Amino acid sequence: ETGVTQTPRHLVMGMTNKKSLKCEQHLGHNAMYWYKQSAKKPLELMFVYNFKEQTENNSVPSRFSPECPNSSHLFLHLHTLQPEDSALYLCASSLLDFDNEQFFGPGTRLTVL
Amino acid sequence: QKEVEQNSGPLSVPEGAIASLNCTYSDRGSQSFFWYRQYSGKSPELIMFIYSNGDKEDGRFTAQLNKASQYVSLLIRDSQPSDSATYLCAVTATTDSWGKLQFGAGTQVVVTP
Repeated sequence: ETGVTQTPRHLVMGMTNKKSLKCEQHLGHNAMYWYKQSAKKPLELMFVYNFKEQTENNSVPSRFSPECPNSSHLFLHLHTLQPEDSALYLCASSLLDFDNEQFFGPGTRLTVL
Repeated sequence: QKEVEQNSGPLSVPEGAIASLNCTYSDRGSQSFFWYRQYSGKSPELIMFIYSNGDKEDGRFTAQLNKASQYVSLLIRDSQPSDSATYLCAVTATTDSWGKLQFGAGTQVVVTP
């Protein structure tokens, strides 16, 4: 595997379900991010992890719970979601230097029924 | 609230012509500027970054930065149908934790044969 991978690629869940999104980066980066992308809206940063420590929580509802066990893996645990949470969830990673180029995974298309 | 503004488009460009995309930002302290390309249903792909005033060229792409006027632009020369995508401008946020990017909503480009 190369780059940033995400699983699953598509997820349909009911409002009472619990599911998890997984992200893995193979780039030797030290920062990882979760973004939400809804139709016609800018990418919304949700969480930032720097050396597996959370450095940003962008006022995200508690029904989204991130986990970063090491610098290569990132999870987003989902529970009791709402239909408006349906979106493309993107994971990204970067090497925290001046340029901070972020590389994205393919995303998980989430539909909440 | 710091903002990144882009025209949503669609920007219709004849094949072989130059596509010109503009982006303005409000955070005067921003240091790094990125252009991402996003095909429909796919994740953003980094195509250019720039952090010094002036032009930076990479193949058919040229990024232009003017920090005094707070705008960054992207030129696509010899536009091809494969350039049809949404182009996202991203800017580093200086008032928040290191690593945070602010994205514009994107400009849709349609290259017509």
